[in-house]
Amino acid sequence: NAGVTQTPKFQVLKTGQSMTLQCAQDMNHEYMSWYRQDPGMGLRLIHYSVGAGITDQGEVPNGYNVSRSTTEDFPLRLLSAAPSQTSVYFCASTLLGIQYFGAGTRLSVL
Amino acid sequence: AQTVTQSQPEMSVQEAETVTLSCTYDTSESDYYLFWYKQPPSRQMILVIRQEAYKQQNATENRFSVNFQKAAKSFSLKISDSQLGDAAMYFCAYRRKGDKLIFGTGTRLQVFP
Repeated sequence: NAGVTQTPKFQVLKTGQSMTLQCAQDMNHEYMSWYRQDPGMGLRLIHYSVGAGITDQGEVPNGYNVSRSTTEDFPLRLLSAAPSQTSVYFCASTLLGIQYFGAGTRLSVL
Repeated sequence: AQTVTQSQPEMSVQEAETVTLSCTYDTSESDYYLFWYKQPPSRQMILVIRQEAYKQQNATENRFSVNFQKAAKSFSLKISDSQLGDAAMYFCAYRRKGDKLIFGTGTRLQVFP
């Protein structure tokens, strides 16, 4: 049972580049979410989805897009990376109020 | 808006001793969940313990227990018989039923032999 799988684990981008952070879960959970973790600020919600075809914005959505075409996958897209998006990104799926986190992606934008 | 406050950026404890991490939250809801997550250096977020607001009994998981004071909106985590492997960042989190998870800023726990 893989749980929540995030790829890549590390990524370095140049300002203005685009990329997609992948997230997949094999637990058939409807609710999935993306967080970013910055020093001294805890985890902040970027976007979330309550099921396939349904997404909504969280606390810090600017600069990020998401889609949910299947229950399993919830990719996070950076359209034009900025240094302010340097962070650790976590994907999570939720069942019965308990969140299951992926291992995180450390992203640096130069 | 709901907020979660962890007023202790860092705490330390000696191995085998007990330590308590503080958490307060602000909400007007009566039905919600509270969590403590552990984040070791591996970066993985690990659920330590969960409390449902409608339950008066404090949750316990082995060496981890909480002191849930609903009226005071306080949710502290007690770690008994501390072990070196308990060293990590600890995050308190709040979730209204059917809603998003809101995290505090975390407490870094050091455990000394």
